Amino acid sequence: AAGVIQSPRHLIKEKRETATLKCYPIPRHDTVYWYQQGPGQDPQFLISFYEKMQSDKGSIPDRFSAQQFSDYHSELNMSSLELGDSALYFCASSLAAVYEAFFGQGTRLTVV
Amino acid sequence: SQQGEEDPQALSIQEGENATMNCSYKTSINNLQWYRQNSGRGLVHLILIRSNEREKHSGRLRVTLDTSKKSSSLLITASRAADTASYFCATAGELGGTSYGKLTFGQGTILTVHP
Repeated sequence: AAGVIQSPRHLIKEKRETATLKCYPIPRHDTVYWYQQGPGQDPQFLISFYEKMQSDKGSIPDRFSAQQFSDYHSELNMSSLELGDSALYFCASSLAAVYEAFFGQGTRLTVV
Repeated sequence: SQQGEEDPQALSIQEGENATMNCSYKTSINNLQWYRQNSGRGLVHLILIRSNEREKHSGRLRVTLDTSKKSSSLLITASRAADTASYFCATAGELGGTSYGKLTFGQGTILTVHP
């Protein structure tokens, strides 16, 4: 069965650079979530989209933005990267917000 | 403060024993989900229990939900070394509530099963 695809799997950036993370949800899923997980931490909700419209926003810095495109894939754009942005970034998708969410393998971002 | 607090934070058992992890939350929910995560890997969905359900089974997993106490438990029976992982509960807010549309995770329980 198709799963949530995230790319890239690993990314190394320098401080103040920009990074773009991509997420391809499971086909026919209408909701996409982004989460950030620091070392030893629980996943923190960043932002979600329902039918390509932003549906909820969590603790996402102003330096980050995200969007969902007409083909339902989503991108998380991170600018002016800081060392503290180093984390695992997960994308998840679900069929409507009340069904189980399926997570991708994550993108490990390292800012040096 | 954190929605979805879990205890214990770490649990160490022998293969064959049962493992019980607990989760508490603060707001009204539509459903509660349990996830498993191997070190540094993706989150694997284990089971979902809706707010109108009290107990659910899936293989060696048993989940209970007590909405009056805003708590849930995950029981893994006959544990195996391969069950070693972090386990998270996550709550989905009820329709119309402020938490609708996102999953809020607890801090997780690190389970170690010794062969």
